Amino acid sequence: DAGVTQSPTHLIKTRGQQVTLRCSPKSGHDTVSWYQQALGQGPQFIFQYYEEEERQRGNFPDRFSGHQFPNYSSELNVNALWLGDSALYLCASSLAGMEETQYFGPGTRLLVL
Amino acid sequence: ILNVEQSPQSLHVQEGDSTNFTCSFPSSNFYALHWYRWETAKSPEALFVMTLNGDEKKKGRISATLNTKEGYSYLYIKGSQPEDSATYLCALYPGSSNTGKLIFGQGTTLQVKP
Repeated sequence: DAGVTQSPTHLIKTRGQQVTLRCSPKSGHDTVSWYQQALGQGPQFIFQYYEEEERQRGNFPDRFSGHQFPNYSSELNVNALWLGDSALYLCASSLAGMEETQYFGPGTRLLVL
Repeated sequence: ILNVEQSPQSLHVQEGDSTNFTCSFPSSNFYALHWYRWETAKSPEALFVMTLNGDEKKKGRISATLNTKEGYSYLYIKGSQPEDSATYLCALYPGSSNTGKLIFGQGTTLQVKP
């Protein structure tokens, strides 16, 4: 049973560029959440996708957007990258109605230069 | 704004020592509290989920308690081993209108020296 997978594992971008991160949920899960962990902080909720729509959003600017595909996999897009976007981006999957139980991937480390 | 606080930020202990960490949260906004264990370069791994005041959970040498009335949870590790070295995160699930959103503390990083 495959767990949550994320790609790529590491990424280096420059300011102003755009980035796309990918997540495949745990088998059987239909809901995907994204979190950002900046250095020295706990993970911060970005948004959650269910039935291919954004269902809940945290305090992140519109530069952060996402998508969920019919197979429940998801993408996180960040436009106009800032230095402050450098962080570990975690994806978590869950079952609708059991969102309190989330399984995490290993994350994508993004460095913006 | 819900705030989850963990203390201490980091901890260094000797193998065999017992240790505990604290997670504090606003007691009025609560559905479930999670503890995660996060080893470097791996995925955060769920340890416990607790929902009721007075809940106590145990997995091997690790146990956790929950006090929702005063807004705290303790995680205990008995007889720490080097393989216990990790960051321990607690996360509040407020539920209700915040469906799907886990609110994390900043974590406690434990280093166990052989």
